[in-house]
Amino acid sequence: AQKVTQAQTEISVVEKEDVTLDCVYETRDTTYYLFWYKQPPSGELVFLIRRNSFDEQNEISGRYSWNFQKSTSSFNFTITASQVVDSAVYFCALSEGRNDMRFGAGTRLTVKP
Amino acid sequence: EAQVTQNPRYLITVTGKKLTVTCSQNMNHEYMSWYRQDPGLGLRQIYYSMNVEVTDKGDVPEGYKVSRKEKRNFPLILESPSPNQTSLYFCASSSGPTNTGELFFGEGSRLTVL
Repeated sequence: AQKVTQAQTEISVVEKEDVTLDCVYETRDTTYYLFWYKQPPSGELVFLIRRNSFDEQNEISGRYSWNFQKSTSSFNFTITASQVVDSAVYFCALSEGRNDMRFGAGTRLTVKP
Repeated sequence: EAQVTQNPRYLITVTGKKLTVTCSQNMNHEYMSWYRQDPGLGLRQIYYSMNVEVTDKGDVPEGYKVSRKEKRNFPLILESPSPNQTSLYFCASSSGPTNTGELFFGEGSRLTVL
């Protein structure tokens, strides 16, 4: 069975701090895909990244970076120099088959000015 | 503007009164899906559709029906809503299978069943 665990329910930081959101997944498949989505206070869901199981290279996009480690079944998300606009709920998700998608419970990040 | 549109955005109803939440996308996407979001559970997939007239169950399909008669529309039907279906619902579409790229989500429909 698939499972995505985001152990951090809520995180609060002060602006300009770095913050890491943890994501641990379980799967028996060798081929799978991992995702991060952002849900700002306005409620919509915004795609951030997709990573397949064969690509363990870390990814950096501006202040955002992702660390994928198959050895620990983790796909962690780091925001460098956080800003108030980063305040949101962040979801990690896992897909094994073509059309399934299983989300973690989400981590609510609050960035205070 | 590329978008996924859901209606209604907010609805309060009573147990057993049939309702439909509509979903329409203007991106010519073949794949569409429905999710419900509940506190502490994240999003859970209800149904998905790979193309017109092709649908399949997700993780929590009980109590829901869907149809895909046109490519752009994918309504979610609650034949006899119950209070445990009180939730925030999202429709999503994508150009390919769910695992191949970005899901485009609607703005969400908050449903309360009394």
